[in-house]
Amino acid sequence: EIVMTQSPATLSVSPGERATLSCRASQSVNTNLAWYQQKPGQAPRLLIYGASTRATGIPARFSGSGSGTEFTLTISSLQSEDFAVYYCQQYNNWPPAFGQGTKLEIK
Amino acid sequence: QVQLQQSGPGLVKPSQTLSLTCAISGDSVSSNSAAWNWIRQSPSRGLEWLGRTYYRSKWYNDYALSVKSRITINPDTSKNQFSLQLNSVTPDDTAVYYCARNMGLFTFDIWGQGTMVTVSS
Repeated sequence: EIVMTQSPATLSVSPGERATLSCRASQSVNTNLAWYQQKPGQAPRLLIYGASTRATGIPARFSGSGSGTEFTLTISSLQSEDFAVYYCQQYNNWPPAFGQGTKLEIK
Repeated sequence: QVQLQQSGPGLVKPSQTLSLTCAISGDSVSSNSAAWNWIRQSPSRGLEWLGRTYYRSKWYNDYALSVKSRITINPDTSKNQFSLQLNSVTPDDTAVYYCARNMGLFTFDIWGQGTMVTVSS
């Protein structure tokens, strides 16, 4: 099974600044990589699929990049509602697997 | 829009069966393009996909190897819902359980609200 590793575990950023989150796969997943946002007490929300395609209704400040084993989620100008936990998920191989998450907190 | 509404008990005794239901509105459990999943989340395991059911001229199921001997996911076409049964639970099965949809790609675009299930005597 593919193991997804996210870094850092916690990221402190000020509102209005850029945040960069990383996700690494234990073997190539091509571009079959998704990102989710989860706020306390809520289910995860799909942000990005295909490594770089925003899901319906996701603001343009969210962007994804990467292929193979290295991926990045960038939030260009942080809004208050963006402080949450972010997960990556590979779906290139069965079973689908999630990373352990990066908590994005207010600096 | 598509919504998933979960129901089921929040407390299950060890060795008993965990049973949850996910009611679908705005889509069909018999859709030829959707699949209906159960995912759980705990501090120790993180987000863990458990399995799914889907219809492609006949019914199919996929289950994670970690729970394959204990899990059953069934569709109920009369009520447009699907269910999770997890047998012989232990405290390690304590988690928030989510139902979720995937369409084509194995990504999860619609989620239920989550059910916290505690396994304890």
